[in-house]
Parts: sequence; C-alpha cells; structure tokens
Amino acid sequence: SQQGEEDPQALSIQEGENATMNCSYKTSINNLQWYRQNSGRGLVHLILIRSNEREKHSGRLRVTLDTSKKSSSLLITASRAADTASYFCATDPNTGNQFYFGTGTSLTVIP
Amino acid sequence: DVKVTQSSRYLVKRTGEKVFLECVQDMDHENMFWYRQDPGLGLRLIYFSYDVKMKEKGDIPEGYSVSREKKERFSLILESASTNQTSMYLCASSLQIEAFFGQGTRLTVV
Repeated sequence: SQQGEEDPQALSIQEGENATMNCSYKTSINNLQWYRQNSGRGLVHLILIRSNEREKHSGRLRVTLDTSKKSSSLLITASRAADTASYFCATDPNTGNQFYFGTGTSLTVIP
Repeated sequence: DVKVTQSSRYLVKRTGEKVFLECVQDMDHENMFWYRQDPGLGLRLIYFSYDVKMKEKGDIPEGYSVSREKKERFSLILESASTNQTSMYLCASSLQIEAFFGQGTRLTVV
C-alpha cells in the first residue's frame, strides 16, 4: 500500500491553542495536499504544497514539507471550535494520476 | 460551483446482492476515484479511472468492479455484497491536482 500515515491519530486542544499534525508517506511525490472532513461528510481541500516547496501559508494554516524525510506537517493557529474535524494528507506519486490518503488525525477543539 | 454527487447517502443491502454505487461530476474532470473509509484505516483507494472506459486498480480492488461509460459518471459495483464491505464509500474527481469529493455513501450489508 502507498497509504500515508498521520500522527497523532487524535488530538484534543482548547480553543485558541495551536494544533499540529504530521504526515509521513512512502514514495516520491509531485505534490502533497491536506484535506478536512467534517463528521460523516466528504473531504474538502485545504492547501497544496508542491514537492519543490518547503513551506506554505493560507490564512491560519501553515504547511511544511520535508521530502528528504518524506514528511509534512499542518499547523492550525488560534484554533476554533469549528476546526473540529478529521484532517488527512494526500499524496500523488509521480507515477500516475491517483491520490493516496493517510489514516487521518481527528482534531477536537474544546470551546 | 463544483459538484460531485453520489446517488445515495445511506444504503442497506443484503449479503449476496449486487450493489451499484453511482457517482456523477459536473466539472468535466478526467480523473475519478472510489475510496472506502473505515475507522482507523483512513481512506483506501479501490479503483480509479483517468478516461472513459479506462480503469485502474487501487490498493483494495478485490470484490469490486467499476464502470465508466461516460466522462461524468463513475460507478462502483459490488458483485456479491458481503458484510465486510460495510463501510463509507467516497467518490472523488480531479482534473490535475485538487480532488473534489462527494458527500459519501454509508453502505451497510446485512
């Protein structure tokens, strides 16, 4: 399987704190993306980082990528209760058009 | 607005039934995907398609088949449903990089 892994599996923080989740993957990639899934729904794209980039920002999101370690991290700053969701990383290996998702981090933000 | 529509949100089927899960996208995307999502296992790729009548196996194709007769429609078929296929099924489409997901179909096989 080319599936990645997120760490931790579950994270619980207070509103206003920062949340950091990590993703490790197995193969060389073109891009890495982060998606969010609210309970029982489909996934929604958050941010993309290309393999030649090291860091990217979008609003309260900060993503880093270390291709030498095959890992990425997603930081959500100043978290809100509405950030409660599962977060997945997805990679598209440079061998085809498919996406492989990780196992997800379940984030709970306590008001 | 981008739209991927899965035909059912909830489905209950009996063991041995042939089950069709339908997915339609209105974005003229070439790539379409079927995943299943189970607790602790994340999303696992079942099949994907990069063109009409083309299909490629993902990580877990056993027990499933797919059909893509038109660009906008990608169907997942459970030839003979079994209880271990009880899961959330997610369809997605993409043009190049970003994937757009349907709302998911929660299938229960009894």
